[in-house]
Amino acid sequence: DAGVIQSPRHEVTEMGQEVTLRCKPISGHDYLFWYRQTMMRGLELLIYFNNNVPIDDSGMPEDRFSAKMPNASFSTLKIQPSEPRDSAVYFCASSPLGAGVTGELFFGEGSRLTVL
Amino acid sequence: GESVGLHLPTLSVQEGDNSIINCAYSNSASDYFIWYKQESGKGPQFIIDIRSNMDKRQGQRVTVLLNKTVKHLSLQIAATQPGDSAVYFCAESGGSNYKLTFGKGTLLTVNP
Repeated sequence: DAGVIQSPRHEVTEMGQEVTLRCKPISGHDYLFWYRQTMMRGLELLIYFNNNVPIDDSGMPEDRFSAKMPNASFSTLKIQPSEPRDSAVYFCASSPLGAGVTGELFFGEGSRLTVL
Repeated sequence: GESVGLHLPTLSVQEGDNSIINCAYSNSASDYFIWYKQESGKGPQFIIDIRSNMDKRQGQRVTVLLNKTVKHLSLQIAATQPGDSAVYFCAESGGSNYKLTFGKGTLLTVNP
């Protein structure tokens, strides 16, 4: 398996533009997580899905952020409109079981977003 | 609120020395703890885990120690190598079966 695949790896956009980040989890993994990483706040959980259903989105900063998982092999994180404070590295991770059962999340290489 | 934090943001060691990275947690409900390693430009990678019914767990060159009394855990790396240079995160489940909360991270630099 190729692991968790994220795209794009780098995105530079201007304030107010829509940004869509994509993730392909490892086949057979029932859990998918979106994390955001910044120097100031570290790794923050934004939302996670179980069997394509959003379970906990309490970490989503505000209504400008939305995430979907239309099928078991694809998820998107959308920011509309984007703001400079959204600049961060966004990670997608998947796991075959809940993180309390196994703490081994498989992370993608991240999407580095810069909003000018 | 409940959080996971680290005592030392940076640690510099000589190649071949042992490294100790510390982590404090505040959530009394936490019963499962994990260490991750993140190399530059990559996503975090699982290293080792420990449950609250254990005090110590060993892996290959790594040992995790858990002190529930003072809510502290540590990661020990034996014979540290340049390839160990990375940011190390502790994470905890906070009693949740489904998600992890990560600490801020410690940057380990190994000098040749």
